[in-house]
This record gives sequence, structure tokens and C-alpha cells, in this order.
Amino acid sequence: GAVVSQHPSWVICKSGTSVKIECRSLDFQATTMFWYRQFPKQSLMLMATSNEGSKATYEQGVEKDKFLINHASLTLSTLTVTSAHPEDSSFYICSASLRGGYTFGSGTRLTVV
Amino acid sequence: DAKTTQPTSMDCAEGRAANLPCNHSTISGNEYVYWYRQIHSQGPQYIIHGLKNNETNEMASLIITEDRKSSTLILPHATLRDTAVYYCICTDGGSQGNLIFGKGTKLSVKP
Repeated sequence: GAVVSQHPSWVICKSGTSVKIECRSLDFQATTMFWYRQFPKQSLMLMATSNEGSKATYEQGVEKDKFLINHASLTLSTLTVTSAHPEDSSFYICSASLRGGYTFGSGTRLTVV
Repeated sequence: DAKTTQPTSMDCAEGRAANLPCNHSTISGNEYVYWYRQIHSQGPQYIIHGLKNNETNEMASLIITEDRKSSTLILPHATLRDTAVYYCICTDGGSQGNLIFGKGTKLSVKP
């Protein structure tokens, strides 16, 4: 079946630094990928929709200058958390749709210290 | 996408069937019912989806009422590894759409 590979699975960074998370579709082309964020004991919240070759669409309240999304190819989308702060610590998950179904990455646990 | 309502939590004995209900009374005619689950600190895993007919696969069965206003996910023989949060989501499944997650049901399978 369709597989989405996400890495790193976890990362610890210092406040003020930037962190890049990658999401690759391994055996299919994904023109659209979705980025979610999940805080402890909460559900997944959509942050943005990543479209290959065009600008991402961000949900209300998500700062596009802080969460940079690049979808330069049909198999790779990246999320960069810029100038990270402790409140950005969360579980970040990517997803891609394929023929009406949705496949998720394994998630990235970001801890900002 | 139609709003879904699920119980916050459920317990199930190991080896027994787990029946997880979901209400989606405002579902529209072209919306599918999807079920995903999330084991702690992992990405959501697809379980099953359906439109109006009952569906079965190697993981579970999905029973959708005739009026499509509710559904039940059935795990026929729950194991400890089925402990997870289960999400019922209604969407038209378009390739440009996304899944909107509610709070889901925390299923605890106990020995």
C-alpha cells in the first residue's frame, strides 16, 4: 500500500533555532500533502495544506512565516519550524491523499528547550 | 464535512469484540465514513471506510445504518495491541480535501 515516510521521528532543539521535518511519499506521487500538529492529550489539528509547485495554504491562526512549507517535488514536502520556542514543542504529522484514501507519516516529536 | 460524535472512552476485554459507535447525523450523500486509529505517539493508521454498505476487511467490520446517520466499528477479537484512540471521520474523500479529526474514542483493551 501507499507509504509516507517522515523523519526525523524525534528531535530536540534549542530555542531560536530552526528545525526541518521531511515527508516523502515512497511509492506514489503526492500533489497534495497535509501537515498536522498534535499537543498532548489532544486531537490532530490541521496546520496547512502543501501543494506541489505552489504556495501552501495555511489554516487560520497558523503563522506562515514561522512554519515554512516547501513542496518542490511530487514525492517530498518539508515543514521548517523557524525560530522555535518551547511552545512549538508538539507532535507533527504529515499526510497524503491517494485515490480518496489518506496515508499518514509516523510523526515527529519536536521538543524545544 | 459532517460532525461526528463518539464516546470519550471504552473498555473491552481481551479476546472479546469491541464495538465502537459513531454518530454522524448531518452526513451528506457523497460523504464516506472513515475510521482511523492512533496508537500512542504514532501517526494515524487507516482501518476501514464505507459509503452506505457494510464493509469488512482483515482488521475490522464497519456497520452503517440504513439512514447513514450512525455507524459502528467492530474489532471482532480485540487484543492488547488494539488499545488506541479511534477516530470516526466523515468526508467526501476528494483528493484535495483533508481529514478533520474530532476527539475520538480511547479504547482500552484489558487482559
